[in-house]
Amino acid sequence: DAKTTQPPSMDCAEGRAANLPCNHSTISGNEYVYWYRQIHSQGPQYIIHGLKNNETNEMASLIITEDRKSSTLILPHATLRDTAVYYCIVRVPNNAGNMLTFGGGTRLMVKP
Amino acid sequence: NAGVTQTPKFRVLKTGQSMTLLCAQDMNHEYMYWYRQDPGMGLRLIHYSVGEGTTAKGEVPDGYNVSRLKKQNFLLGLESAAPSQTSVYFCASSDNADRADTGELFFGEGSRLTVL
Repeated sequence: DAKTTQPPSMDCAEGRAANLPCNHSTISGNEYVYWYRQIHSQGPQYIIHGLKNNETNEMASLIITEDRKSSTLILPHATLRDTAVYYCIVRVPNNAGNMLTFGGGTRLMVKP
Repeated sequence: NAGVTQTPKFRVLKTGQSMTLLCAQDMNHEYMYWYRQDPGMGLRLIHYSVGEGTTAKGEVPDGYNVSRLKKQNFLLGLESAAPSQTSVYFCASSDNADRADTGELFFGEGSRLTVL
């Protein structure tokens, strides 16, 4: 299974873009990159996912390097409500379907 | 649309007591999961199910049992609770990978369990 490495914490000024990096150097060709976030003690929330191409939705953008060994989640205009732990996850392709393993994540603090 | 609902939300047990956590989803999802999260840690998979009547072990299955008698429900049981099982438990569900391969998990709000 591919492992991910994320910085334990980051700060971002309100209104600025938050760029959260993730390293997944052992990712295999059919594994996807997923991002989730967990606000305070709530259940994790899906943000975005991708395989090779960059992706964008109403919440964020996902930039995956050409060699797929790293990616960056971009929150274009961070707000105080974006303060959360962000998990970068590589999907395990097996018979368990969409089973995902969560690591420690990055604690993003958005400051006024 | 309730999504994923967990009951109870809070429970305090004494060592050796038993209890069951119930997870219910109304999205007709095939896959369901139980995770635990300890303070300051990520989520660890306890057990999962890929369909009604099936269950499988995850990363930390010891001390827990599960059942999936109905597609919409996934039960997590503690037969003899231990203080090490004090944690927040999250249930999640997702659609069949063949039908809607987004990999998105839908989580419940968590069940906070304390074992004294």
